[in-house]
Amino acid sequence: NAGVTQTPKFQVLKTGQSMTLQCAQDMNHEYMSWYRQDPGMGLRLIHYSVGAGITDQGEVPNGYNVSRSTTEDFPLRLLSAAPSQTSVYFCASSPYESSYNEQFFGPGTRLTVL
Amino acid sequence: GEDVEQSLFLSVREGDSSVINCTYTDSSSTYLYWYKQEPGAGLQLLTYIFSNMDMKQDQRLTVLLNKKDKHLSLRIADTQTGDSAIYFCAESTGAAGNKLTFGGGTRVLVKP
Repeated sequence: NAGVTQTPKFQVLKTGQSMTLQCAQDMNHEYMSWYRQDPGMGLRLIHYSVGAGITDQGEVPNGYNVSRSTTEDFPLRLLSAAPSQTSVYFCASSPYESSYNEQFFGPGTRLTVL
Repeated sequence: GEDVEQSLFLSVREGDSSVINCTYTDSSSTYLYWYKQEPGAGLQLLTYIFSNMDMKQDQRLTVLLNKKDKHLSLRIADTQTGDSAIYFCAESTGAAGNKLTFGGGTRVLVKP
């Protein structure tokens, strides 16, 4: 199993550009989520999904869209990038119900918005 | 509301014990977790504790939970240079406990 994969690893955008961060998992996990990591602030939940066709907002959803058309994929879209979205983005997945809900994280995408 | 707090930095000598502390606010959390992040990598689950437990030991790791004070700690015995990393405390929230609220992370530096 490849686990959770994210592409690209690095990206530089100009203010106002749009892009999609890709996330895929091959563990048949129902639950997937996106976090952003900023220095000293830990990880903050952007959006999450409990299964194909179902998404919901997390703590910091503004400026981001998600969709979940398949169990495997959970892309994160930035419609009009802003410098405040410069961050490291992590995708994670877990079985929806398990004994202790371990979340499996991807390697991250480092995004810089100029 | 949900808020998880940790100290920012810990320096320890190789072979000594490390203790990382965390406070949380959501008393309904089912599980509390410690994740480890090595440079340039994602987070990996190190250990977890169920909310009705006081202590959990796993090889060099000891987790202590004080529910009354909402305080969680991670003790690493015989700290090695490979333990240098950022350690995140997290609590589970949400109906199925899948949503995590993270602390800001404690950077642990192990000196030889």
